[in-house]
Amino acid sequence: DIQMTQSPSTLSASVGDRVTITCRASQNIGIWLAWYQQKPGKAPKLLIFKASSLESGVSSRFSGSGSGTEFTLSISSLQPDDFATYYCQQYQTDWTFGQGTKVEIK
Amino acid sequence: EVQLVQSEAEVKKPGESLRISCKVSGDISTTAWIIWVRQMPGKGLEWMGRIDPSNSYTKYSAALPGHVSFSADKSINTAYLQWTRLEASDTAIYYCAGALSIAHPTGDWWGQGTLVSVSS
Repeated sequence: DIQMTQSPSTLSASVGDRVTITCRASQNIGIWLAWYQQKPGKAPKLLIFKASSLESGVSSRFSGSGSGTEFTLSISSLQPDDFATYYCQQYQTDWTFGQGTKVEIK
Repeated sequence: EVQLVQSEAEVKKPGESLRISCKVSGDISTTAWIIWVRQMPGKGLEWMGRIDPSNSYTKYSAALPGHVSFSADKSINTAYLQWTRLEASDTAIYYCAGALSIAHPTGDWWGQGTLVSVSS
């Protein structure tokens, strides 16, 4: 099975900050990596697919990069609506999620 | 656009059976897979498996307990997640997601989630 390791688990930041979340795969997954945002009591929302492709309607503040085993999600200028939990997910073989990164207000 | 609407929250006792639903509306011809995801209280997302709504082909997670299964009724565009006998450890929110791609599916659309509470 492919394991996904996200870091950090929690990230404290202020409005306007640039934040970066890292995700590592236990084996080469090419570009088959997605990022989701989840707010309390809500379903996950797809932000990024194929490692760096922005889902339609998602703010350009979000960007993804990486390939193989190392990936990052960046938010260029954190907005109040961005405080949430973010998950990476590999979909090269079935799905595996990272454990999540909670972005909280500093 | 595709919409997924899930059935309401359930409160059950251990040993009981249950079936929850995920109804697909909109341009259903674009939905290659319905995927089920579990989120236990305060925890992260876990992939349970997927089902092709057109022919009910299923792929289960190796970690899925034997008392859990998926089904689909393409005549009413609905997928189901069912338990033959519930356990307390089945308490969770269950999400269905719809995927466009056959080969490399992502969660393109999501249902609102169904909370299943199992307690004696």
